[in-house]
Amino acid sequence: RKEVEQDPGPFNVPEGATVAFNCTYSNSASQSFFWYRQDCRKEPKLLMSVYSSGNEDGRFTAQLNRASQYISLLIRDSKLSDSATYLCVVIHRSNDYKLSFGAGTTVTVRA
Amino acid sequence: GAGVSQSPSNKVTEKGKDVELRCDPISGHTALYWYRQSLGQGLEFLIYFQGNSAPDKSGLPSDRFSAERTGGSVSTLTIQRTQQEDSAVYLCASSPGPTGYTFGSGTRLTVV
Repeated sequence: RKEVEQDPGPFNVPEGATVAFNCTYSNSASQSFFWYRQDCRKEPKLLMSVYSSGNEDGRFTAQLNRASQYISLLIRDSKLSDSATYLCVVIHRSNDYKLSFGAGTTVTVRA
Repeated sequence: GAGVSQSPSNKVTEKGKDVELRCDPISGHTALYWYRQSLGQGLEFLIYFQGNSAPDKSGLPSDRFSAERTGGSVSTLTIQRTQQEDSAVYLCASSPGPTGYTFGSGTRLTVV
């Protein structure tokens, strides 16, 4: 089983729609969680950290469910510019803070 | 500099040649990763440096690949006797600790 798994999508949504997707992780000792965004032929960029209590950044909401070992990302009022691949990243201390990446979820927002 | 710097940004090399890819992490960042990404694929872990600990080389695909990190700062990824399947974007990322990592813009390697 992979350490971090994501639904690859693609999620094709119209502008203005809400889209949400999850990422599951296998190591219960995981301690830090992030969502990265990667545009086509570009490097990944940090979108947001994921905190235990859940957190929002504008139209983006991230949540963590430790009991079920998943994190989620919700995008409200989708814009064309939200089209990208969203990568889930998990860090656990027992692995010397090593990153574990999911393979990414592709979101395409259409006009 | 303000970000992670990688050089060269593009490299075209002939099959069988050796190449060196360079990564300048953000100053003070103790953790450094190398990944590679083929077109349309996910990130493939190569090697991880964390402070003075022995590097985690478990992702290096063959003994043609090696990496060094001198003085806890600059890192060089060397690929010997390049093959066409080595063609990919090689990404470097650094972090001050168990927090979000910053990626460089990558080196696009093409082996012809």
